[in-house]
Amino acid sequence: GENVEQHPSTLSVQEGDSAVIKCTYSDSASNYFPWYKQELGKRPQLIIDIRSNVGEKKDQRIAVTLNKTAKHFSLHITETQPEDSAVYFCAASRRKLIFGQGTTLQVKP
Amino acid sequence: EAGVAQSPRYKIIEKRQSVAFWCNPISGHATLYWYQQILGQGPKLLIQFQNNGVVDDSQLPKDRFSAERLKGVDSTLKIQPAKLEDSAVYLCASSSQMGGANYGYTFGSGTRLTVV
Repeated sequence: GENVEQHPSTLSVQEGDSAVIKCTYSDSASNYFPWYKQELGKRPQLIIDIRSNVGEKKDQRIAVTLNKTAKHFSLHITETQPEDSAVYFCAASRRKLIFGQGTTLQVKP
Repeated sequence: EAGVAQSPRYKIIEKRQSVAFWCNPISGHATLYWYQQILGQGPKLLIQFQNNGVVDDSQLPKDRFSAERLKGVDSTLKIQPAKLEDSAVYLCASSSQMGGANYGYTFGSGTRLTVV
């Protein structure tokens, strides 16, 4: 069945450093790849997404890259700030959204 | 635009009792999903509706879970009887469609269920 693998499970960086989270997906027909940020006790919030006809997308300090051949995509956060600390989920979708296991990002001031 | 509405926010029940959750999606979103999120894990899809029809319920424990979306708008998810391992946050989401694919998934605030 469809599967999304996400790494690392935890990531700790110093404020101002960059953070990278990587995901691989199994369904080659997946065509939509959102990233969600979830703070403790809150709903997942969409932070950026990319469709399969695009290789890279950037929004201020956040960027996502997609390699369809290798079936992997990555989230890049630059100039990290303490408020970036949260759990981040990648997901892949064709007709339904399948989530990765999550990455707990800690940004140390 | 109004978001995805869910109720209740919290529910505590004893094992073997029954419980129901309600969801109202974003207006115009034909596709509705119920996810189960166990603490420390990613959301797991339980069931997906397209209008009032079930598209995917392959991971729904059908011996105890049921869901319906009778008029193609709001939906209810029921657990009967509940087990301790059902303790989780139940998230409802909806999405729009374009070209047969789903985009713009938006989540409700979730219902936190504790089974004791």
